[in-house]
Amino acid sequence: LAKTTQPISMDSYEGQEVNITCSHNNIATNDYITWYQQFPSQGPRFIIQGYKTKVTNEVASLFIPADRKSSTLSLPRVSLSDTAVYYCLVGDPLMNYGGSQGNLIFGKGTKLSVKP
Amino acid sequence: DAGVTQSPTHLIKTRGQQVTLRCSPKSGHDTVSWYQQALGQGPQFIFQYYEEEERQRGNFPDRFSGHQFPNYSSELNVNALLLGDSALYLCASSSNSGRMNTEAFFGQGTRLTVV
Repeated sequence: LAKTTQPISMDSYEGQEVNITCSHNNIATNDYITWYQQFPSQGPRFIIQGYKTKVTNEVASLFIPADRKSSTLSLPRVSLSDTAVYYCLVGDPLMNYGGSQGNLIFGKGTKLSVKP
Repeated sequence: DAGVTQSPTHLIKTRGQQVTLRCSPKSGHDTVSWYQQALGQGPQFIFQYYEEEERQRGNFPDRFSGHQFPNYSSELNVNALLLGDSALYLCASSSNSGRMNTEAFFGQGTRLTVV
């Protein structure tokens, strides 16, 4: 399973764009990249998932370069309510996403603090 | 459509006691996974249940056991509680559809404090 490395913490201000980068040098061909968000005393919440290039949804964008050894979660115009821990996970969806067979491997995540 | 529900939300137990935590998966989901999250750490996988059987297990002792019922709900049992078992216990449900974009939905968790 590919190991991920993220910054432990990041600070931002309301209205700014926040980019959180995750390194995954040993990513395998079948691996997808998934990001979860977790607020205190709540369970993690799926944000976005991608395999290559760019994925965008109503919450965030995910940028994945051609070599796929890193990825960047982009949160546009953050608000105070975006203060949370963000986890980057890498794995084969058929083996590692709590679905058909596997389990989710979480690191320590990135604690994002948004200030007014 | 209710999401994943866990009970109780908070629990205080004494060392050596036993505890049972409960989880009802999201409607349409048939797979339940349990995670332990210590303060300041990411969730750690305990085990996963599918078709009423434990399908995969993480690095947790036998004091941690579980069960899945025919309606897909699940229980996590921890025997001989230790102070170190104090944590947020999370239940996640998913569908064994084999779809590439399967995502796990988490409950709010049960905060267990062992004193």
